[in-house]
Amino acid sequence: NAGVMQNPRHLVRRRGQEARLRCSPMKGHSHVYWYRQLPEEGLKFMVYLQKENIIDESGMPKERFSAEFPKEGPSILRIQQVVRGDSAAYFCASSPDWTRADTQYFGPGTRLTVL
Amino acid sequence: LAKTTQPISMDSYEGQEVNITCSHNNIATNDYITWYQQFPSQGPRFIIQGYKTKVTNEVASLFIPADRKSSTLSLPRVSLSDTAVYYCLVGDPFKAAGNKLTFGGGTRVLVKP
Repeated sequence: NAGVMQNPRHLVRRRGQEARLRCSPMKGHSHVYWYRQLPEEGLKFMVYLQKENIIDESGMPKERFSAEFPKEGPSILRIQQVVRGDSAAYFCASSPDWTRADTQYFGPGTRLTVL
Repeated sequence: LAKTTQPISMDSYEGQEVNITCSHNNIATNDYITWYQQFPSQGPRFIIQGYKTKVTNEVASLFIPADRKSSTLSLPRVSLSDTAVYYCLVGDPFKAAGNKLTFGGGTRVLVKP
């Protein structure tokens, strides 16, 4: 059973470009979470999605960031017009249901570097 | 959400036991204590979770005193591969909002040969 997959693992963008980060949850998981980790800091929650629904986006910046989890295909975290401060590791986690936090399984992350 | 405080870093040697204490003075009645491990360039991994007293699994033990205002993660006989950042989280895993994991700064454990 494959784990959570994220791609690309490393992404370099210039200021003003768009970044698209993809997350494929574990088989059978319908809940996806995105977290951001700045260097030397802990992970910060961004958004929680179920298939075709955003459940909690309280951690998402109000502008330039969006997330989706379509009926088919991976979850996408999209960052428009990236700035240097967006450079971070972005982790996706998935779970089979919403009831237990210990059932969140994390992917390897995408490291975004903005030049 | 209950705030947690844990040491920034700890050094140890192979074969020793490592104990990391986390303070959570404002823990709520329904909150559980969960520990995650994060290796460099990887996502966090669930280690152990408990509510009170002692919990043990194949990886670690978790000790929680009666007042639940702190907890101690115990890693027996560490090896070099246990070098990682260890995060203590407190929250209600049975609430939808509890699924929003809140990570603090964690404790960087360095195991030396």
